[in-house]
Amino acid sequence: DGGITQSPKYLFRKEGQNVTLSCEQNLNHDAMYWYRQDPGQGLRLIYYSQIVNDFQKGDIAEGYSVSREKKESFPLTVTSAQKNPTAFYLCASSIDHRVSEKLFFGSGTQLSVL
Amino acid sequence: DAKTTQPPSMDCAEGRAANLPCNHSTISGNEYVYWYRQIHSQGPQYIIHGLKNNETNEMASLIITEDRKSSTLILPHATLRDTAVYYCIVRVYNNNDMRFGAGTRLTVKP
Repeated sequence: DGGITQSPKYLFRKEGQNVTLSCEQNLNHDAMYWYRQDPGQGLRLIYYSQIVNDFQKGDIAEGYSVSREKKESFPLTVTSAQKNPTAFYLCASSIDHRVSEKLFFGSGTQLSVL
Repeated sequence: DAKTTQPPSMDCAEGRAANLPCNHSTISGNEYVYWYRQIHSQGPQYIIHGLKNNETNEMASLIITEDRKSSTLILPHATLRDTAVYYCIVRVYNNNDMRFGAGTRLTVKP
C-alpha cells in the first residue's frame, strides 16, 4: 500500500542532543512538508520541499534542519537550538506544489524532552 | 494570506447532519477552500476542497457562498467516528504553505 511512514512513533531527547525524525513516502510525490503541533493547537509549518535538493523555511524553522537528497525521504533534525521541542510532529506530501493538490499525512512522531 | 474563523467546538447527534461553518472574508480569487479533519493523535485526513462551486464526495459536501466569504462543510449522517477536529483552510495560489488554524472540535453524541 502506498503511504507516508514516520518513525519512530515516540522519541525522547536529552538536553543538548540533536534528534532526527524520519519521513518516507512511496507515493511518488514531489512535495513534502513538516508540521509541528502543540497540545490543543493547530499545525504550524516548519519546512517544506517542492523537489529533491530544494527546501524552504516555514513559519517556525528556527532550531530545525532538513534535507531532501531523495524524492521519497525528508528527514527532520531537531537541534539543541530548539529550546522547546516537545510536540507532535507530522510529515505530509503532495503530488506537486500546485495549489489544488491535497496533502497526505503520516501518523506522526511524539517528541518529548527527558 | 486569507485567514479563517471557525467556532472552537460543536456537538451533533448521531445520524443527524453536521454543519460546520467557516468564515474567510478576505479570500482572494485564486485561493481554494480546503477541509481536513484530525482524529486524536493521528495525522489530518483530507476531506474535500473547492474554489467557487459546491462540491460533494463520498465523505461530505462543501457549500461555498456566492461571494466566497464563507463556506459550510456538511457531513450528511454523522457517526461517532466523525468525532474529530475539523480544519478549514484557504490556500494561497502557487504557495506551498497550507496553514492550519485551531479548527472546530466536533463531538458526535449517541
